[in-house]
Parts: sequence; C-alpha cells; structure tokens
Amino acid sequence: GQQVMQIPQYQHVQEGEDFTTYCNSSTTLSNIQWYKQRPGGHPVFLIQLVKSGEVKKQKRLTFQFGEAKKNSSLHITATQTTDVGTYFCAGMLNNFNKFYFGSGTKLNVKP
Amino acid sequence: IAGITQAPTSQILAAGRRMTLRCTQDMRHNAMYWYRQDLGLGLRLIHYSNTAGTTGKGEVPDGYSVSRANTDDFPLTLASAVPSQTSVYFCASSDMPNTEAFFGQGTRLTVV
Repeated sequence: GQQVMQIPQYQHVQEGEDFTTYCNSSTTLSNIQWYKQRPGGHPVFLIQLVKSGEVKKQKRLTFQFGEAKKNSSLHITATQTTDVGTYFCAGMLNNFNKFYFGSGTKLNVKP
Repeated sequence: IAGITQAPTSQILAAGRRMTLRCTQDMRHNAMYWYRQDLGLGLRLIHYSNTAGTTGKGEVPDGYSVSRANTDDFPLTLASAVPSQTSVYFCASSDMPNTEAFFGQGTRLTVV
C-alpha cells in the first residue's frame, strides 16, 4: 500500500482563493519534501522540512510539518493562475533512505 | 547547463521487446532514481542508486533492471515489455539520498 497519502486529489479554485493540500503517513517521517509539477512538465523541488512542528514560507506558500512528523501541509494564499499544477509531497520514512511520493493534488485556478 | 537528460522523449514499443531508457546527469550527484508516473498514483519509485556501483529496489521493481557503472549514467531496462508498463518515466538525481531531487524531462513510453 501507499506509504504516504495525499488529499485532495483535485482542487478547483477561483483566482484569489486559498488552497491547501495535506499529506499523511501512518509512520513517522524523518523529513518531507514538496514538489510542483506544471502540466506537461517534470516535478520541481519546492522545499524540505526536517524538524517537528517546522513552518516555512515562500512568498504566498506556507509549508508545515506536524509535531508528530506524520503529516504535512502546503497552503497557498490568494492563488494565481501561475499556481496551476500538481503538488506532490514526498516523505522519507525513518530507517528508509529513500522518499515515498504522495499521489499528488492537482490544482486548477480559474481566472 | 544540461542537468539531467533522459532519452528518448517518447517511444512506442511492441509488447515483448526489450527497451533501455537512458539517463545522464552532469551534476556529479551521488544518488539517482527511476520513477514511473501514472494517473492517480503519483510517482512510484522503481529502482534507485545511492552511489556508483550500488543499486536498490523501490516500490515497483518487477520487470525492470538498472545498473550504475559510473556516477553520471543510470539506465533503466525493460527486459520484455508489457502493456502495464505504459507510463511516463522520470529519472532524478540528488547529491545525497535525503536532499532535493532534480528530475529529467521524462520519457513517455507506450507498450502496445
């Protein structure tokens, strides 16, 4: 089964609305990464979170790592059409030296 | 600056044929990976290599093999292609296994 679960699968928003995608694991993660894939493109690294409870911001994007290191979220404030794409989390399980990707959340932004 | 290069970009392959997908990186990264991307399933790890000369199995290794003879190249071979191997294949590399990964442009493979 999938080690890292991600919801929702799809999200359609009006430009200017906020967007959040969630990532969950049944086991503790040593760290988590987030990637963005534009339509027809390849995944591009956004950020990595390592510490319990960590919060990082990149302009309108806010990334959080849960206190128990089993969940994470990506929140986009006031979406723009340039935010369109699929957002993936990738979690590294403790004692496993590789990342497991979530299934991704496809974001569509209507102008 | 090339980064990571995959070839071919796309391929239509008859079932039962052997196929090697090529991946080359010029960043001197230690770790390399092969993923397949299928709708609704995200990216699933096929095989990986943490350093030249070593390889490991990912989540979906059956039907695929890899080799890592040097730092730069990490080819993926389908010994006898089946239709369920129709997918988009991404190669990636990272300096260390727990650092950011850089992805190639992908290979769209259709097995008929």
